[in-house]
Amino acid sequence: EAGVAQSPRYKIIEKRQSVAFWCNPISGHATLYWYQQILGQGPKLLIQFQNNGVVDDSQLPKDRFSAERLKGVDSTLKIQPAKLEDSAVYLCASSRPGGANVLTFGAGSRLTVL
Amino acid sequence: QKEVEQDPGPLSVPEGAIVSLNCTYSNSAFQYFMWYRQYSRKGPELLMYTYSSGNKEDGRFTAQVDKSSKYISLFIRDSQPSDSATYLCAMLHGSGNTGKLIFGQGTTLQVKP
Repeated sequence: EAGVAQSPRYKIIEKRQSVAFWCNPISGHATLYWYQQILGQGPKLLIQFQNNGVVDDSQLPKDRFSAERLKGVDSTLKIQPAKLEDSAVYLCASSRPGGANVLTFGAGSRLTVL
Repeated sequence: QKEVEQDPGPLSVPEGAIVSLNCTYSNSAFQYFMWYRQYSRKGPELLMYTYSSGNKEDGRFTAQVDKSSKYISLFIRDSQPSDSATYLCAMLHGSGNTGKLIFGQGTTLQVKP
């Protein structure tokens, strides 16, 4: 089966600019996750979707971050305006129904904010 | 206190050594315990998972969970240079479709030929 696709792989922006990341999960995986991984740290969950509904966005900085999954498949994560501390790898993952312990991750989108 | 604690290392061992990687946790409600491996500039990939206490073996890898001590371990036998990566422990908070993984910081392992 095809893996989780993410783009772009790398993005460099200046602070206060905006950026968007795209994710296409594995076909049939109803649950989609966005994680933030800062260098030297483990992934931190930003938002979790079940189909196109939000399950958990408690750690999403909603003043600057937004995410959507309109048709229950692809998802977009946006940051506007970006801050220096947003420099990180943004990982998208997906899982089968009932398989919240078995996540398949994409390669990630590496963001550098200057 | 973080929910999941993991020594970041780095850990450097010679090829063929037995490697022990560990995590501690504070939430006694965790039921599933996972180990993910992450190569440089790649996403994490699931190595193995265990449910509740006990041991689970898969080839050169053994996962061990001690719920009474809130301590989990991953052992790698006959380590190879290809095992050089960051190893992330993760625990499932909640269940079903609403469960979410809580990750440790990750331990960087280097296996020298």
